[in-house]
Amino acid sequence: DGGITQSPKYLFRKEGQNVTLSCEQNLNHDAMYWYRQDPGQGLRLIYYSQIVNDFQKGDIAEGYSVSREKKESFPLTVTSAQKNPTAFYLCASSSEGWGGPNTEAFFGQGTRLTVV
Amino acid sequence: AQSVTQLDSQVPVFEEAPVELRCNYSSSVSVYLFWYVQYPNQGLQLLLKYLSGSTLVKGINGFEAEFNKSQTSFHLRKPSVHISDTAEYFCAVSAGFQKLVFGTGTRLLVSP
Repeated sequence: DGGITQSPKYLFRKEGQNVTLSCEQNLNHDAMYWYRQDPGQGLRLIYYSQIVNDFQKGDIAEGYSVSREKKESFPLTVTSAQKNPTAFYLCASSSEGWGGPNTEAFFGQGTRLTVV
Repeated sequence: AQSVTQLDSQVPVFEEAPVELRCNYSSSVSVYLFWYVQYPNQGLQLLLKYLSGSTLVKGINGFEAEFNKSQTSFHLRKPSVHISDTAEYFCAVSAGFQKLVFGTGTRLLVSP
């Protein structure tokens, strides 16, 4: 079955550590996205990539980094510079980028990151 | 830039009653509109979408939404809810070549 796989489902990080969240899709989608979800704040865009080897900052990119070396993979690194990293992280993909009729986003199951 | 407003953070309703979840958007160009559902500790699942054409859109699980351009609204409705509909619902808008913007969500609480 096609879909988006995020791993791990739960992740605990000590303060000062970098951690990487995995996101893989087999939908052959060009565009991929990372969102952060906090209670009562909806989804906020961290980074997005509309094509391989290219990515752009979203609204809250500080303290995060990404890479897009392969079409199917878009890992997110939460660095020690992120002051409040405890949140639910969602990866998504779409067959084309924003502006076209195929902007429907397909989501993974999420990774819950907790700083201990 | 476009924006989305979901006025109700929580909507309590009894089982088998009708429900409407409100969504208003602002945009100066034509829009694509979406409703997603999120169950606890899971990702978002698309309920329905409006791209063009008929303003009444039917989705999964018996939900439907009506696009009203003059009122810039895209309210979600279901004539009879079930306990299993308890979840958080997000409205989202995509306009021009701008990013997909999500509302803050509405938690639907269905009681027996």
